[in-house]
Amino acid sequence: QSALTQPASVSGSSGQSITISCTGTSSDVGGHNYVSWYQQHPGKAPKLMIYDVSDRLSGVSNRFSGSKSGNTASLTISGLQAEDEADYYCSSYTSSSTLVFGGGTKLTVL
Amino acid sequence: QVQLVESGGGVVQPGRSLRLSCAASGFTFSSYAMHWVRQAPGKGLEWVALIWYDGSKKYYADSVKGRVTISRDNSKNTLYLQINSLRVEDTAVYYCARDLSSGGGRNDCWGQGILVTVSS
Repeated sequence: QSALTQPASVSGSSGQSITISCTGTSSDVGGHNYVSWYQQHPGKAPKLMIYDVSDRLSGVSNRFSGSKSGNTASLTISGLQAEDEADYYCSSYTSSSTLVFGGGTKLTVL
Repeated sequence: QVQLVESGGGVVQPGRSLRLSCAASGFTFSSYAMHWVRQAPGKGLEWVALIWYDGSKKYYADSVKGRVTISRDNSKNTLYLQINSLRVEDTAVYYCARDLSSGGGRNDCWGQGILVTVSS
């Protein structure tokens, strides 16, 4: 159950787009479409943003989108806004019927 | 509204046991799989355990297997996590979360978290 691999940090200017990658294996990301993305602000509980690779939870801005290619899933945030600054985590269902999270990515909006 | 509230945390000595509770309200608790997820101070999220809606199946992270038991009482709308032989590395905020996808990890509702500190 090794953690999925995410970049430790990404940054972008207000209005720009950024992409956060999440790399796993054929036993997790590559083998299932149960990939989710969470946003977490300091001191707060995680918030589900994207599920099943690319579906947005109701109420989540359409500036957030998800995709997957092989063993790597990606979260793209377009039109960056100050309130997007947070930690982002991916998670995937695994072939052992467990869950695994990525190490997290700190997004800084310049 | 949908709500999850954890309790039972605190400061515990290494080697002791602790039971966390998660009280659910605002939805039909017995219809959903539930997870425990933890986050050590300044670290990322770590999945701990999953229990099916009816308690018939349970899954654990390798890091806690054998020391942790997840359970639920659907008559009380409550989820539990029993942690035995506590270690310093178990220090974390523990979250319970509702899963919309029967174990697939579509965790749409989380509790506020409860801090467990393992220290002598």
